[in-house]
Amino acid sequence: EAQVTQNPRYLITVTGKKLTVTCSQNMNHEYMSWYRQDPGLGLRQIYYSMNVEVTDKGDVPEGYKVSRKEKRNFPLILESPSPNQTSLYFCASSARGTDYNEQFFGPGTRLTVL
Amino acid sequence: QKEVEQNSGPLSVPEGAIASLNCTYSDRVSQSFFWYRQYSGKSPELIMSIYSNGDKEDGRFTAQLNKASQYVSLLIRDSQPSDSATYLCAVNRATALIFGKGTTLSVSS
Repeated sequence: EAQVTQNPRYLITVTGKKLTVTCSQNMNHEYMSWYRQDPGLGLRQIYYSMNVEVTDKGDVPEGYKVSRKEKRNFPLILESPSPNQTSLYFCASSARGTDYNEQFFGPGTRLTVL
Repeated sequence: QKEVEQNSGPLSVPEGAIASLNCTYSDRVSQSFFWYRQYSGKSPELIMSIYSNGDKEDGRFTAQLNKASQYVSLLIRDSQPSDSATYLCAVNRATALIFGKGTTLSVSS
């Protein structure tokens, strides 16, 4: 089954404790992206990757890191989480970029930073 | 001006009626437009994509695009209670999808 998976699905942590949210897709997609969704603010892009070893900032990158060492994986790293990073996070992928390409979302990771 | 604007709703329609959801966007160079459905706490699910002016139909759903007016709409015919969700309009901008904040649809039986 073609899908985007994320782990963990739920995470409660404390300020400053480094964490990684994994994202994997089995569709051989070149493009992957991370979004966060907050009430009243909608979905906002954090980082994206056009292909292996090619990553760039989205609209809200502060406090996050990513890497793309393999085509299928695109982990999101929070080196020192803070309460304002409490949010619902989605990973998404598409075949090539976002223009004329449909983007598919993972199930989401609900993160709470205390 | 916000990049992608939608009425937040709620839009309430009775079962069997047509629901009409609207979206305007600000970037004239955008070429790709998408409608996603999102149930509370779940991930966005792609319903329709549209790239050319005019209408595109898929089952009970019709997307309409008017690039001159910078306007995208989604019609849901024969609305069902299971259609009750938040509908997100998304517009391509370079390397990202820009999302509206969504319109909440409530279909009553």
